[in-house]
Parts: sequence; structure tokens; C-alpha cells
Amino acid sequence: GAVVSQHPSRVICKSGTSVKIECRSLDFQATTMFWYRQFPKQSLMLMATSNEGSKATYEQGVEKDKFLINHASLTLSTLTVTSAHPEDSSFYICSATRGQGTEAFFGQGTRLTVV
Amino acid sequence: DAKTTQPTSMDCAEGRAANLPCNHSTISGNEYVYWYRQIHSQGPQYIIHGLKNNETNEMASLIITEDRKSSTLILPHATLRDTAVYYCIVSPQGGKLIFGQGTELSVKP
Repeated sequence: GAVVSQHPSRVICKSGTSVKIECRSLDFQATTMFWYRQFPKQSLMLMATSNEGSKATYEQGVEKDKFLINHASLTLSTLTVTSAHPEDSSFYICSATRGQGTEAFFGQGTRLTVV
Repeated sequence: DAKTTQPTSMDCAEGRAANLPCNHSTISGNEYVYWYRQIHSQGPQYIIHGLKNNETNEMASLIITEDRKSSTLILPHATLRDTAVYYCIVSPQGGKLIFGQGTELSVKP
């Protein structure tokens, strides 16, 4: 399968600071990337859909000004958690697809802890 | 909301086949059935997907009923490393996936 890489895998930050998470498709061009988050013992929750060169589409209840998404190239999307607070501590996961109708491949996830 | 229903948990003996059921009675004609699994603290791993016909790859087989209202994922010879949460998802496009609670499969020696 295709390879999607996230960086960093773990990050600890202080409350009030911002954190950037990168998602890269290593061996294919990803027209669309998706961002999810997962709280302990819960399922993945879709946060937003990111299309290269256009604004992200956020799911209902997700604050677009808090979770900034940039998809500047066909191989890179970034999620920035701005003014992070302890309740933002979670497992953030990205996925990417080659195109419409193809399966998604997931990154290994980023564990964010806000202290 | 997720459009699938799966048992919360299942056990399987190592070396035996694991059969994981999924109900998707409201599936639309253009929606595929996708299966992913998630091992603890990792990103989900793609397993297999299908539209109408049964599918098989190196990891698993997918059996879809003729009316497409349910499916079964079959791991032919389960190993301890197959212990994971298995998600059955219906989607028209494969990218945007709405996850349900999945089935926690425990493979026991």
C-alpha cells in the first residue's frame, strides 16, 4: 500500500502555544487529505477535508480558526493547533487518497499532550 | 453518524479463521464497503474494499451479500498480531470515512 507519514509522532506543548503537525504522502500525489482526531477509548472523528490549493472543509463543530489546515502541495498537508489547551490533547491522524474512489491510507498518528 | 453496525467485541483462537460481520442495511448503490483495522496507538490500516462482488487479497476476504445489506470480513488464519479494532465503513469515495465504534478482535493463543 501507499505510505503516509506524519511528523511528529509525539509532541508535548504548553497551554497557549501552537503546534504544527505535518502529513506527507511519500510515494504518491494526494489530491485530498483528511484530518481526524481520536480520544482515548473512542473511535476516529473526522475533523476536516483538505484539498490541494483550496480551503479546507471543516466538519460541524470543528473550529476552523483553532485548527488551521494548509494543503500547499500534492504531498503535504499541515494541521496547526492554535492556542492549545489541555482539552486539545488527543491523537491526531491524517489520511490521503490518490483520487476520487480510491482507498485512503493513514499516517501513524501524532499524540499531542498539552500541559 | 456511522451507517454500519458491528459487534463490540469478538474472540478468535490463533490459527482459526476470524469472521467479522457488519450490517449496512441503508447502503446506497454507489457506496463501497471498506474495512480498516487499528492496532493500539497506531493509524488505521487499510484491509480491503468492495462494491458488489466478493473480494480477496493477501490480508483477507470480503463477502458481501447479494442485497448488499451486510458483509463479512474473513481473516483466514488469525495470528496474535491480528488483535485490533476492525472498522467496517461504507463510503462512495473511499477518502472521507465516517468511523463507527468497530469490533475489537482478540486473537487468543
